[in-house]
Amino acid sequence: GENVEQHPSTLSVQEGDSAVIKCTYSDSASNYFPWYKQELGKRPQLIIDIRSNVGEKKDQRIAVTLNKTAKHFSLHITETQPEDSAVYFCAASDRETSGSRLTFGEGTQLTVNP
Amino acid sequence: NAGVTQTPKFQVLKTGQSMTLQCAQDMNHEYMSWYRQDPGMGLRLIHYSVGAGITDQGEVPNGYNVSRSTTEDFPLRLLSAAPSQTSVYFCASSPWRGGYTFGSGTRLTVV
Repeated sequence: GENVEQHPSTLSVQEGDSAVIKCTYSDSASNYFPWYKQELGKRPQLIIDIRSNVGEKKDQRIAVTLNKTAKHFSLHITETQPEDSAVYFCAASDRETSGSRLTFGEGTQLTVNP
Repeated sequence: NAGVTQTPKFQVLKTGQSMTLQCAQDMNHEYMSWYRQDPGMGLRLIHYSVGAGITDQGEVPNGYNVSRSTTEDFPLRLLSAAPSQTSVYFCASSPWRGGYTFGSGTRLTVV
């Protein structure tokens, strides 16, 4: 089955700096790569996703890049703000055949210091 | 739309007891899943369903049963609770080519 590794497990940045979180996956059939943000005590919320036919996707201060050859994808947050502090999870799945079998990384605790 | 509704929010069980965690969605999503979240271990898939009448096992299915008799509901049954099942449980749903919407979670403690 799919295996997703996520690094780093903790990341501390100064407000205004950029943050990068990286994930690798094992199953070359995976074609859907979402990122979730989870604030303390809350549910995970989808912040951005990318499909395998796209190399990069941006949404305001958030961007995701995908390298299918190397089987890794990354989340980039620019101009970080204290409200970006949360746990971020990457995930991967083959949406065409495995349906809702989404495999998550172990999460990155991002702390943005004012 | 209420989205994904999970009940109860908190539950304490004694070892050996059984219970059902309820999950309902009103978005007509095909996919529904149950995940458990333990500290430092991310979200692990218990069971999932690609439509009414169809379920399959995820990464950690032992000790849990599911059924999907309708598109809206996807209950998770703990057959005989064990302390190792102490966790936060999330139900999630998604359309065919969309992202997951998670419920608010159930915090379960087994003593």
